[in-house]
Amino acid sequence: QVQLVQSGAEVKKPGASVKVSCGASGYTFTAYYIHWVRQAPGQGLEWLAWISPDSGGTNYAQKFHGRITVTRDTSISTAYMELSRLRSDDTAVYYCVRARRNWGQVYFDYWGQGTLVAVSS
Amino acid sequence: SYVLTQAPSVSVAPGQTARITCGGDNIGSKSVHWYHQKPGQAPVLVLYDDSDRPSGIPERFSGSNSGSTAALTISRVEAGDEADYYCQVWDSTTEHAIFGGGTKLTVL
Repeated sequence: QVQLVQSGAEVKKPGASVKVSCGASGYTFTAYYIHWVRQAPGQGLEWLAWISPDSGGTNYAQKFHGRITVTRDTSISTAYMELSRLRSDDTAVYYCVRARRNWGQVYFDYWGQGTLVAVSS
Repeated sequence: SYVLTQAPSVSVAPGQTARITCGGDNIGSKSVHWYHQKPGQAPVLVLYDDSDRPSGIPERFSGSNSGSTAALTISRVEAGDEADYYCQVWDSTTEHAIFGGGTKLTVL
């Protein structure tokens, strides 16, 4: 069965960086893009970025340009999301999600369990 | 940038029909996908491409999309349907995903 297993919760100070991992299993890792979505406490879903595990190509939400980097290691079927210069409003649950593409439209069929990143001084 | 608008909350009695809408400029020209999220859990895909159901999603869940409004309809609502519901589209120009603000479905 398809599984996305994320790394554990993190507590960081403002200005620090965090790197969240997402291990994929149950399917061919390079066949599906991985996206990252976050959810601040009590708030809605916010899309951050995607990576093509096959080519390594990436795309980032403009809001996070310069602060976010997504990478992957195909040898261990794992994607990573690193967010730098953390601020208190980066406190959120971060999800990795597997994307399906239908006729150019993209939706998310499997979600990781989420990783809480708390930013506090 | 493209904006999706959802009502913050919808309430319905058990056994009735719930309709959750997602508004956007000419949204009928896009494919809309829906997720539900229960407290403390990750979102789950409930409809894709306007009205297709992934395996395991009951037939009580259906969808429509025309003009400026897409809708998720839940027939014969059950207590277990209580959740936050999010719509999502894909911006093929920027290659970014866009989510609506979410609707909290309360089963009275």
